[in-house]
Amino acid sequence: QAVVTQEPSLTVSPGETVTLTCDSSTGAVTSGHYPYWFQQKPGQAPRTLIYDTSNKHSWTPARFSGSLLGDKAALTLSGAQPEDEAEYYCLLSYNGAQNYVFGTGTKVTVL
Amino acid sequence: QVQLVQSGAEVKKPGASVKVSCKASGFTFTNYYMHWVRQAPGQGLEWMGMINPSGDATSYAQKFQGRVTMTRDTSTSTVYMELSSLRSEDTAIYYCARGGAGILNFDYWGRGTLVTVSS
Repeated sequence: QAVVTQEPSLTVSPGETVTLTCDSSTGAVTSGHYPYWFQQKPGQAPRTLIYDTSNKHSWTPARFSGSLLGDKAALTLSGAQPEDEAEYYCLLSYNGAQNYVFGTGTKVTVL
Repeated sequence: QVQLVQSGAEVKKPGASVKVSCKASGFTFTNYYMHWVRQAPGQGLEWMGMINPSGDATSYAQKFQGRVTMTRDTSTSTVYMELSSLRSEDTAIYYCARGGAGILNFDYWGRGTLVTVSS
């Protein structure tokens, strides 16, 4: 089974930009992995921010964006706010969307 | 509105089985896949598997094959996840999430069910 790796932790100053990445042990991450990004705050269920690489839900703040960056999927937070402090997980699809693997998660601190 | 209401917390002994339910409302249940995801205390998210809209096909993560069974009851709009041969490492919050294509995949989640495995 694939291993999906993220930065363990990142710190960003309020108003600044930070980029999180998502790497697959099987090779380059492509749009065919349909990358998802989730935000999870303590004691809460995850919430989807991005689906299919770069698409946003109606509830996704405009400051979040998804992309492919080199061989990885990426989540960029432009203009970080204190309420963005959370754990962020990517999710990749394998085998024609019959198998999914979550990334290891990135704890984002806004400080 | 879309709701996924999960069953209450469970405490089980090692070697036992647990069956967690997730009752759906606010959408056409038979049009959607359903996923199960778990999270051990202080750990990350782990996809366990999914069941198709009609309930006649499942896909499980390799780690859980042989130990997990996902079923659904269209008459009550409820999906179930049963995990057998429980061990302490199975202590976790278990979430159900709605599944489908694109925007419909993982868009709504249950609040989670805590399963504690302890002797």
